[in-house]
Amino acid sequence: DAGITQSPRHKVTETGTPVTLRCHQTENHRYMYWYRQDPGHGLRLIHYSYGVKDTDKGEVSDGYSVSRSKTEDFLLTLESATSSQTSVYFCAISESAGETQYFGPGTRLLVL
Amino acid sequence: QKEVEQDPGPLSVPEGAIVSLNCTYSNSAFQYFMWYRQYSRKGPELLMYTYSSGNKEDGRFTAQVDKSSKYISLFIRDSQPSDSATYLCAMSSLNSGGYQKVTFGTGTKLQVIP
Repeated sequence: DAGITQSPRHKVTETGTPVTLRCHQTENHRYMYWYRQDPGHGLRLIHYSYGVKDTDKGEVSDGYSVSRSKTEDFLLTLESATSSQTSVYFCAISESAGETQYFGPGTRLLVL
Repeated sequence: QKEVEQDPGPLSVPEGAIVSLNCTYSNSAFQYFMWYRQYSRKGPELLMYTYSSGNKEDGRFTAQVDKSSKYISLFIRDSQPSDSATYLCAMSSLNSGGYQKVTFGTGTKLQVIP
């Protein structure tokens, strides 16, 4: 998976609790992305980062925040998890804005 | 209407068959076209990447882009049971912030039967 790890790989949580997912890369790529994948919707971009402390919103960013304090780490936080955020979350990286993206193994999140 | 349309399948074929997977799109600004393969409970992995109209071949895989018809295809020759996976098409365009926005199809599930 192109030197990308995600943690945790599986998580079950309750509605209203905060959740943080971590993406770690060893490729020193500048761009990092968080997607969610749901049946019938495909992969949808939540947030992306184009450098340390530089982030921007994707198409489904409501209810999510991100942080990137180091090149290798990109954190996704669900401030107050809801059942609609039950999904599989993928991190991706790319060397530059125009390059192809490489995906991590995913985190399966269940919000009860 | 979605920007990228992809038949979800499932598509079942016998081993050795030629497989054709397709996507249509509506946004003429798309510049780059990709195919990803995703095994069950795994992350998508890049199979093919192309910029222009025409064909690109890599082993048993051929990607075809027809920008005039807004149609892309992935052909798999001599299909193997190990090709059983979900195939995602993806397309990107440059947005106002200089970022390549990637739009994914919903994926076609392929099963190759021994």
